Amino acid sequence: AQSVTQLDSHVSVSEGTPVLLRCNYSSSYSPSLFWYVQHPNKGLQLLLKYTSAATLVKGINGFEAEFKKSETSFHLTKPSAHMSDAAEYFCVVSESYGGSQGNLIFGKGTKLSVKP
Amino acid sequence: AAGVIQSPRHLIKEKRETATLKCYPIPRHDTVYWYQQGPGQDPQFLISFYEKMQSDKGSIPDRFSAQQFSDYHSELNMSSLELGDSALYFCASSATEKYNEQFFGPGTRLTVL
Repeated sequence: AQSVTQLDSHVSVSEGTPVLLRCNYSSSYSPSLFWYVQHPNKGLQLLLKYTSAATLVKGINGFEAEFKKSETSFHLTKPSAHMSDAAEYFCVVSESYGGSQGNLIFGKGTKLSVKP
Repeated sequence: AAGVIQSPRHLIKEKRETATLKCYPIPRHDTVYWYQQGPGQDPQFLISFYEKMQSDKGSIPDRFSAQQFSDYHSELNMSSLELGDSALYFCASSATEKYNEQFFGPGTRLTVL
């Protein structure tokens, strides 16, 4: 069965410093991996996705993530945090099988705080 | 660009009542997914439909049912509501040619008193 583990429930950074949100996955099949962001009282927005193409994936708002099969990791990074990045971030896995579009399995989320 | 529409955005019900949540997918999207996000929790997959047929089932209680109609909109019907059903209910949609990319609606916040 597939799953994701977000290693930090809360990360706090200062504005202008790098962001690292860690995620490890477990999957029996070739996984599709995603990062979603949820601002307070808002819906879920797709930041980026990995679907077995390039291992370094660039997303919106300057975020990127690197798929490392040997480490079963898909950490999210950003060189310089903005105040507007403060939100909850979910690492998500979806298994690819039989050409169907599998449902999404969410991690527990990492709350990112950005200090001025 | 058109997004996923959910209605109502907020709903207050009492225990043992019923509720119906509606989801209108992005035009030309043929797959709809329902997720439940409890307070402080991660979203949990409930059920999905592809071309009006149930395609996958997750942790949906027996008290809940859902369907997808010919215009691809979907409805989640919830009966005998319990306090624990209070949550944010998300609908997402995707298109076959955009494999595995789900677009989420703003959610319906259900409060059961």
